[in-house]
Amino acid sequence: ETGVTQSPTHLIKTRGQQVTLRCSSQSGHNTVSWYQQALGQGPQFIFQYYREEENGRGNFPPRFSGLQFPNYSSELNVNALELDDSALYLCASSHPGHNSPLHFGNGTRLTVT
Amino acid sequence: KQEVTQIPAALSVPEGENLVLNCSFTDSAIYNLQWFRQDPGKGLTSLLLIQSSQREQTSGRLNASLDKSSGRSTLYIAASQPGDSATYLCAVISNQGGKLIFGQGTELSVKP
Repeated sequence: ETGVTQSPTHLIKTRGQQVTLRCSSQSGHNTVSWYQQALGQGPQFIFQYYREEENGRGNFPPRFSGLQFPNYSSELNVNALELDDSALYLCASSHPGHNSPLHFGNGTRLTVT
Repeated sequence: KQEVTQIPAALSVPEGENLVLNCSFTDSAIYNLQWFRQDPGKGLTSLLLIQSSQREQTSGRLNASLDKSSGRSTLYIAASQPGDSATYLCAVISNQGGKLIFGQGTELSVKP
């Protein structure tokens, strides 16, 4: 069983640039969620995708957008990067349903300078 | 608005000690509560999931309890080992939506 994989592991960008982060879900999982974790904080929910449709969104501006593909892999896109976007971005996959455990990848560490 | 709080923020114990981590949440209308472990710079590993109808779950040296009415959960770690050193996060899924709402975590250090 292949776990959740994220790429790249680390990324450095300049303020104002755009970035795309990628996530491959665990085999058999059709739901993908993205979280932002600032240093020393708990993860914050960005959005969730189920069967290629956005299925819930947290308190993040529209410059945070996403996609889910037919193979259930997913992308997180962030436009007009700001210094406060520096964080660990975590992807999690699961089966649908509230009582399905989430399986997290190791994250992408984004630094905005 | 659901808020999750974890106390203490950091804890240091000698190897072999039993310990308890605390988690509280403000809205008892939850589907479930999960405990995660996070090693430095890594993702989250799910430890235990307690459904809203359950009182506790056990896995090896770990035991998690849930008291919905008081908005509290505890994670009990028996006979702690240096390998248990990590940040432990609790999170709930509220009835209002399918997202996990996390506490800030407890950073545990187990000294040999």
